[in-house]
Amino acid sequence: NAGVTQTPKFQVLKTGQSMTLQCAQDMNHNSMYWYRQDPGMGLRLIYYSASEGTTDKGEVPNGYNVSRLNKREFSLRLESAAPSQTSVYFCASRGRQGKGSGELFFGEGSRLTVL
Amino acid sequence: GQSLEQPSEVTAVEGAIVQINCTYQTSGFYGLSWYQQHDGGAPTFLSYNALDGLEETGRFSSFLSRSDSYGYLLLQELQMKDSASYFCATYSSNTGKLIFGQGTTLQVKP
Repeated sequence: NAGVTQTPKFQVLKTGQSMTLQCAQDMNHNSMYWYRQDPGMGLRLIYYSASEGTTDKGEVPNGYNVSRLNKREFSLRLESAAPSQTSVYFCASRGRQGKGSGELFFGEGSRLTVL
Repeated sequence: GQSLEQPSEVTAVEGAIVQINCTYQTSGFYGLSWYQQHDGGAPTFLSYNALDGLEETGRFSSFLSRSDSYGYLLLQELQMKDSASYFCATYSSNTGKLIFGQGTTLQVKP
């Protein structure tokens, strides 16, 4: 059971380049999330999708776009990368009921460096 | 909106008990979660409280007081492998957002 799969795991970009981080989950979860984590910091919510067909801004959406392609997949796009976007990006998914309401399943992370 | 506060660092000795507190402000509060993250790894889920009281899972327990907007994670019989960062997070039923605190770094010493 793969859980949440993110690609790529590592990426180096030059300022101004674009790229898309891919995320897929196989747990039939409705909600999916993208977070970024800077060194020594907590996780900050970039965008989330409460269900297929919907996306909403989180705490730090500027410079990013997302697509909820289907129930399984939620991608994050950087249109014009900036050094301030150097970070570790985590995708996560969440079930719906009971304790699942508070439990996120995380991917392994994508380590992005923008030069 | 949503905001959470937790101590930045805690140090304890092996075998001891440590408590990590979390206070929150969350409109449409639905529940408080705790996550553990080792250096270089992804966060992993520890516990979730939607109702007041104590939830116990092995050496870890989590407490919630909704009236005080406060919760804590209690780690007993500390082991060296418990050295990690611990995050509290709240889920808002109004927005569907799950927001994290800044994290508490726990250092367990021999």
